[in-house]
Amino acid sequence: DVKVTQSSRYLVKRTGEKVFLECVQDMDHENMFWYRQDPGLGLRLIYFSYDVKMKEKGDIPEGYSVSREKKERFSLILESASTNQTSMYLCASSTFQAAGPEQFFGPGTRLTVL
Amino acid sequence: QKEVEQDPGPLSVPEGAIVSLNCTYSNSAFQYFMWYRQYSRKGPELLMYTYSSGNKEDGRFTAQVDKSSKYISLFIRDSQPSDSATYLCAMTSNDYKLSFGAGTTVTVRA
Repeated sequence: DVKVTQSSRYLVKRTGEKVFLECVQDMDHENMFWYRQDPGLGLRLIYFSYDVKMKEKGDIPEGYSVSREKKERFSLILESASTNQTSMYLCASSTFQAAGPEQFFGPGTRLTVL
Repeated sequence: QKEVEQDPGPLSVPEGAIVSLNCTYSNSAFQYFMWYRQYSRKGPELLMYTYSSGNKEDGRFTAQVDKSSKYISLFIRDSQPSDSATYLCAMTSNDYKLSFGAGTTVTVRA
């Protein structure tokens, strides 16, 4: 059974803290993604990675950075958390193979910044 | 204007009703069209996937794509309380980045 796991389901942080969100996939997928999900806005892409140590900005990268040192792990970093980064964060992975562009999602991390 | 528009609802229907969901889009390069289902406090999971135009049926679910109108639909027949979830449309051209709609929250009343 395919699996994407995220390090925390719920997280509460203070303004200005550095926050690390971890994502691990066990499907040997090349691509990994970080989204945030807000009511009425759907899923917005923050960053994605198509290979180890490779990354590209998504639609809303400001205030975030990422790290992919191993194929199975993709980390999202909030350098200095702010209240407008309170959101649900979803990690996903996919493969280049001809099975289609399906992305497999983790359960999400609900981050609250106070 | 958003690339993908989806009415967020919410939509409330009685058990057994037909649920009709739809999205419109502006990018004529989109070729792959997907519907994801997201239960409360869970990540989205793929429900149906269609390439190019046409219909696809899977049990009680039917997905339709009309590329000429840039309009996609999902129909759920004989809806059940277990169908209560948020449904997100997603689409892409020929790469691995997906464009998502805002999601429609559906409640099926027993």
